Amino acid sequence: DQQVKQNSPSLSVQEGRISILNCDYTNSMFDYFLWYKKYPAEGPTFLISISSIKDKNEDGRFTVFLNKSAKHLSLHIVPSQPGDSAVYFCAASAEGSSNTGKLIFGQGTTLQVKP
Amino acid sequence: ETGVTQSPTHLIKTRGQQVTLRCSSQSGHNTVSWYQQALGQGPQFIFQYYREEENGRGNFPPRFSGLQFPNYSSELNVNALELDDSALYLCASSLVGNYGYTFGSGTRLTVV
Repeated sequence: DQQVKQNSPSLSVQEGRISILNCDYTNSMFDYFLWYKKYPAEGPTFLISISSIKDKNEDGRFTVFLNKSAKHLSLHIVPSQPGDSAVYFCAASAEGSSNTGKLIFGQGTTLQVKP
Repeated sequence: ETGVTQSPTHLIKTRGQQVTLRCSSQSGHNTVSWYQQALGQGPQFIFQYYREEENGRGNFPPRFSGLQFPNYSSELNVNALELDDSALYLCASSLVGNYGYTFGSGTRLTVV
């Protein structure tokens, strides 16, 4: 049962354009969402997060949008840079304040930004 | 500020054997979580340790066990290795109650 799905295995974008990575979830109990970026031979690094009480969070070139009714979130990168080329994972938590460390990850989307 | 370090980076084991993977938490963090990432998949939560006790567990059998030490470092032990245990094992540390997880680079385990 895949509770967090990233249906696009890969995405290719031209440098300077917008990259939009999508994520769908099925569990309505999820209350916190995160995006991680992973380069080869490195661990995932935290990018941006959003609480279920918000519908948008912005940090520099990165913006995450949450549509609770559609159980969908997206990560926008504007403008895209070649250094953004990596695997992006969407993750969700239903822990509330207990936080036992359990994040549910999607399968990942490989982003390639072409110069 | 040191990050999360894992050892070894690569490991090859035979089916049925036991393996121990190690993790040193980021300075100032007091929880350690372990994840298994199979090829082409996202990481899957194994368990978390806090105050040297298991604080949460994912859908993994009891042959996956762990330890957390007073210095917040951790071990993941897997007994009776199966071929499907071949994966990248990631360790992540954080402050309890905080979603700011820092991941290590992982240990690539191959079971033959």
